[in-house]
Amino acid sequence: AQSVTQPDIHITVSEGASLELRCNYSYGATPYLFWYVQSPGQGLQLLLKYFSGDTLVQGIKGFEAEFKRSQSSFNLRKPSVHWSDAAEYFCAVGLPRAGGYNKLIFGAGTRLAVHP
Amino acid sequence: DAGVTQSPTHLIKTRGQQVTLRCSPISGHKSVSWYQQVLGQGPQFIFQYYEKEERGRGNFPDRFSARQFPNYSSELNVNALLLGDSALYLCASSLQGASYEQYFGPGTRLTVT
Repeated sequence: AQSVTQPDIHITVSEGASLELRCNYSYGATPYLFWYVQSPGQGLQLLLKYFSGDTLVQGIKGFEAEFKRSQSSFNLRKPSVHWSDAAEYFCAVGLPRAGGYNKLIFGAGTRLAVHP
Repeated sequence: DAGVTQSPTHLIKTRGQQVTLRCSPISGHKSVSWYQQVLGQGPQFIFQYYEKEERGRGNFPDRFSARQFPNYSSELNVNALLLGDSALYLCASSLQGASYEQYFGPGTRLTVT
C-alpha cells in the first residue's frame, strides 16, 4: 500500500538556522509530491510541488525541496528559519490515475518550533 | 478572490446525532475533496467530487456521505456520530478533477461528546 513517512514528529531549531524536514514515500512509480504547511487552527497551505523535471523545486516563503528517486525521498529545506515558520508541515503524495481522481496521501506531519 | 470557505467553523454534537458540513470552492473550481484530520495526524481522504459525480472514496464507513451541487459547492454528511468522528474536516477545491493543485479551506472543527 502507498504510504508517506515523516520520521521526525517534532523539530526545534534556532531562528536563523537551517532546516531540513524529511519525507519518504512508498509507491511503485514516481508520484506527484507536495509539501503543505498548517498553522494552528488553520487549513493547509501549499508550499511547493513536484510533478516532473528538475528534481530541485522552489516554493513560497523561501522553501525548497529535492526529489531523490533512489531514496524515495522529498525533503524540505530552508537555509534560514524565521520565527514565523513555526507550524506543522505535511508531506503528501498524489497518485496519478485515470478518471479525474486526485486523492492525496499525507504523512503524519512534523511540528516545527523556532527558538529566538 | 475568495478562497475555499467552509461552514460552520466549529460545532459540537452528541453521539448518535447527524451533522452536515458545507464547503464552497474557489470560483471556477469544479472539483471538491473532503479530508478528515484527527488531532496529531495528517489529513485522510474521504471523498472527491467532480462535476457533481463521485470520483473517489476513501476508507470510511457508509455513515459518511457527500454530494456536490450545480454551483459546485459541496456538503459532507455524517450520520450516527461516534466519539472517534471528532476531528478537523477539511475541504479542498481544484480546477479540474485530475488536478493536484488543491486549495484547502480553514476546516470545520467537529467535537462529538
